[in-house]
Amino acid sequence: SQTIHQWPATLVQPVGSPLSLECTVEGTSNPNLYWYRQAAGRGLQLLFYSVGIGQISSEVPQNLSASRPQDRQFILSSKKLLLSDSGFYLCAWSPGQGADTQYFGPGTRLTVL
Amino acid sequence: AQKVTQAQTEISVVEKEDVTLDCVYETRDTTYYLFWYKQPPSGELVFLIRRNSFDEQNEISGRYSWNFQKSTSSFNFTITASQVVDSAVYFCALTNSGGYQKVTFGTGTKLQVIP
Repeated sequence: SQTIHQWPATLVQPVGSPLSLECTVEGTSNPNLYWYRQAAGRGLQLLFYSVGIGQISSEVPQNLSASRPQDRQFILSSKKLLLSDSGFYLCAWSPGQGADTQYFGPGTRLTVL
Repeated sequence: AQKVTQAQTEISVVEKEDVTLDCVYETRDTTYYLFWYKQPPSGELVFLIRRNSFDEQNEISGRYSWNFQKSTSSFNFTITASQVVDSAVYFCALTNSGGYQKVTFGTGTKLQVIP
């Protein structure tokens, strides 16, 4: 069966510090991968998606970037965090064929102080 | 453009009551897919159901049931005999049938089941 991991689970970072969040998927090959952000009490905002290694598409311009160095690894980064980057970050995967269901990881709660 | 509306921001019910969560969607596509996800306090989104636009049969899974009506563009979710463990935020979502699917999520309905 497939599983998706995210770490760290929680993170408190000062403004201006760098960020690296990691997401890995097990038990599948060539998945589509997604990064979402959920601000407190709000809905989900798609940040990035990837259909293959090195292929990243950004949905909104922002302070963040994403990379996919391996087939089942998706990384969310920032060089300098802003207060507005605080939120709950969710990684998701889908099988990559047609309109398949997206399955979500446990999330990372980021607080920027 | 696609849109999903969950007009109910928060609902409180007493345990064992039935509750229906509303979802209304907009899309120009003739083929599309609808989803419901549950987000408990732990934060992880849990997939509940997927329904394609050609299948209007209602579905029941234990205490959960879903009513899909294309005529009213609605995909409502009913929990029968609610339990405290049902307390969560529930999201309705929509996607088209393209190779890469951008999922449009509603803003969620927070359900609180009071013991």
